[in-house]
Amino acid sequence: AQSVTQPDIHITVSEGASLELRCNYSYGATPYLFWYVQSPGQGLQLLLKYFSGDTLVQGIKGFEAEFKRSQSSFNLRKPSVHWSDAAEYFCAVGAMDSNYQLIWGAGTKLIIKP
Amino acid sequence: DSGVTQTPKHLITATGQRVTLRCSPRSGDLSVYWYQQSLDQGLQFLIQYYNGEERAKGNILERFSAQQFPDLHSELNLSSLELGDSALYFCASSIRDSNPTDTQYFGPGTRLTVL
Repeated sequence: AQSVTQPDIHITVSEGASLELRCNYSYGATPYLFWYVQSPGQGLQLLLKYFSGDTLVQGIKGFEAEFKRSQSSFNLRKPSVHWSDAAEYFCAVGAMDSNYQLIWGAGTKLIIKP
Repeated sequence: DSGVTQTPKHLITATGQRVTLRCSPRSGDLSVYWYQQSLDQGLQFLIQYYNGEERAKGNILERFSAQQFPDLHSELNLSSLELGDSALYFCASSIRDSNPTDTQYFGPGTRLTVL
C-alpha cells in the first residue's frame, strides 16, 4: 500500500528566506504526486502536481517541486517566502492500485518569522 | 473561491445524534469526494461519487453514508455520533471519474463538534 511521509510537523523560516518542505512516498511504481496548501480556516488548494516528464514542476504562488525517483521524494521549494505563505502544506499520492484516490501526508505547518 | 460550497460551516451536536452535511460541486464537475480531517487521523478519504453513483470507498465508517443527487449536489450523513467524529469534513469536486490528472477543488469544509 502507498504511504506518504512529511517528516517535519512544523517549519519556521524568516520572511524572504528560502523554503524546502520534504515529502517521501512509498510505492512500487511512479505515483501521481501533489502538493496542496491549506490556509487557516480555508479548504485545500492545489499548488502543483507531477505525473510524468520533466521532474521539476512549477506551480502557483512561486512554488516548485522536484521529483527524485531514486529518493522517492517530491520536495516543495520556494526561493523567497512571504508572510502570506504561512499555512499548512500537504503532500498527496495517487496510484492506480488505489483507484487514484489520494493518500495524504500528515502536513507541515509553515510559520513565517517577520 | 474554489466554486465548491459546503453547508453548514459549523455544526455542534450531541453524541448519539445524526447530522447531514451538504456539498455543491463546481459547475460542470461530475465527481464529488468527501474527506475527514481530524487531529489524530489527519486527512482521510471517505467516499467518492461520480454522476450519482458510488465509485470508491475509503476509510468510511458504517455509521456514515453519502449520496449524490441528480443535480450533482452531495450529502454526507453521519449517525450515532461519537466524540471521535469531531472533525473538519471537506468536500471536493473534479470533472471526471477518478482521473488523477484532474484537479480536485476543495470546499471550505464543515467543522463538526460532537459534545
